[in-house]
Amino acid sequence: EIVLTQSPGTLSLSPGERATFSCRASQSVSSSYLAWYQQKPGQAPRFLIYGASSRATGIPDRFSGSGSGTDFTLTISRLEPEDFAVYYCQQYGSSPFTFGPGTKVDIK
Amino acid sequence: QVQLMESGGGVVQPGGSLRLSCAASGFTFSYYGMHWVRQAPGKGLEWVAFIRYDGSNKNYADSVKGRFTISRDNSKNTLYLQMNSLRGEDTAVYYCAKADGSYETNPLVYWGQGTLVTVSS
Repeated sequence: EIVLTQSPGTLSLSPGERATFSCRASQSVSSSYLAWYQQKPGQAPRFLIYGASSRATGIPDRFSGSGSGTDFTLTISRLEPEDFAVYYCQQYGSSPFTFGPGTKVDIK
Repeated sequence: QVQLMESGGGVVQPGGSLRLSCAASGFTFSYYGMHWVRQAPGKGLEWVAFIRYDGSNKNYADSVKGRFTISRDNSKNTLYLQMNSLRGEDTAVYYCAKADGSYETNPLVYWGQGTLVTVSS
């Protein structure tokens, strides 16, 4: 099983700041089958990024993903008020298709 | 547009059973793999199970293997999760999610709003 670790656990930032989150895998994620999701309280997750770096349809270009192998990063270039949420990475290259524990972005 | 509507959640005693359903619309259900993902109260996301577009392959998390069964009825555009031998740690909101393709190696692109399962005596 591929274990995903996300850091930091919580990120306290102000609107307009840059946010960078890390997702580290216990073994290489095949073909960069790594996705990112955003979840706000009381809502279902929202699909953001696939293939480590490709934005899903309708996702603003302030969201970007990078990385390969075991180290991946999600960056939000300038935080908007609606971006304060929890962000999860997930690998979908090998079963079980595990999620990371999440990074919460809250308002400083 | 894509819609996924879960149902069947509720309160069940430990050791009991429950069957969740996910009614799909807005896309050709029989072309796409489907997942179940759960989220315990105040916790993160936990992947539960996957089924291929035609039901020919199923994958499970170790925590539910042997107790839960994922299935689908493509004629009814419906995904199911049969949950047996339920435990307190199965208490969670259960989401169904549409994969971005027929097979396993696709991200989860659309999610339902979830149904709450509470295992308690």
